[in-house]
Amino acid sequence: EVQLVESGGGLVQPGRSLRLSCAASGFTFDDYAMHWVRQAPGKGLEWVSGISWNSGSIGYADSVKGRFTISRDNAKNSLYLQMNSLRAEDTALYYCAKDMGPGGYAAIYYYGMDVWGQGTTVTVSS
Amino acid sequence: DIQMTQSPSSLSASVGDRVTITCRASQGISNYLAWYQQKPGKVPKLLIYAASTLQSGVPSRFSGSGSGTDFTLTISSLQPEDVATYYCQKYNSAPSLTFGGGTKVEIK
Repeated sequence: EVQLVESGGGLVQPGRSLRLSCAASGFTFDDYAMHWVRQAPGKGLEWVSGISWNSGSIGYADSVKGRFTISRDNAKNSLYLQMNSLRAEDTALYYCAKDMGPGGYAAIYYYGMDVWGQGTTVTVSS
Repeated sequence: DIQMTQSPSSLSASVGDRVTITCRASQGISNYLAWYQQKPGKVPKLLIYAASTLQSGVPSRFSGSGSGTDFTLTISSLQPEDVATYYCQKYNSAPSLTFGGGTKVEIK
C-alpha cells in the first residue's frame, strides 16, 4: 500500500524550531519529487516547499524562504522539513505529498500530487 | 509572481446540475495546471493534471479544460459525494508551485 506518514508536529513557542518527518512506503521513493503543503485552520491549501528526486531542485514559498529547509534521505525513504524562527502564522496542518513526476527545474517534470499523508499539526503559540 | 484566481469562491447547485469552476492565471502557464478535491475533514485528492488529463480512478463526470491563462473544472452532473472544496494549482514555474484560493461546492 502506498503510504505517507508525517510526524514531528506539536506546540512550539514563537521563534523556536521544529523538524517534521515524512516516512514513505509502498513506492519507489527516489523516483519522485516530494512536497510539503500546509493548511491553516479554516483556510485553503498553501504549498510550502518541494524537492526533486535527487535533491537537485528545491523550491520554497516566499512565506517560508530563509526559515524552512526541505531535505530527503532516499536511503531511508524519508522527507524532512526543518522549520526555524517559527511564527504564529505558521500554525497549520502540514501535509507531505508525493508528485507523480521526478521533479527538476522544468515544469515538464511535475504532474501533480497524487499521494498525501494525513498531516501533522504545528501550533506556534506562547 | 503569477497569481491564481479561482471563481466563484463558493457555489450551491442541485444534484444533477452541471457545475463549472474557473481558475485564471495572471500570466500564461501553458497547460501546467492541476485540480484537487478536498472533502470536509479529508486529505486533498488529485483530480486532473496537465489541465485536462483525468487522474486514474476519478469519475468521468469530472473534466478539465483550458490553456494559457484560463482554465475550467467541470462536473457534468453534480452528485452528493461531490460536496467539497476544489483547488487549482499551477506548476509552470517549478520547483515553485501555487494553489488557487479554493471553491466550495455545496448541494442546494
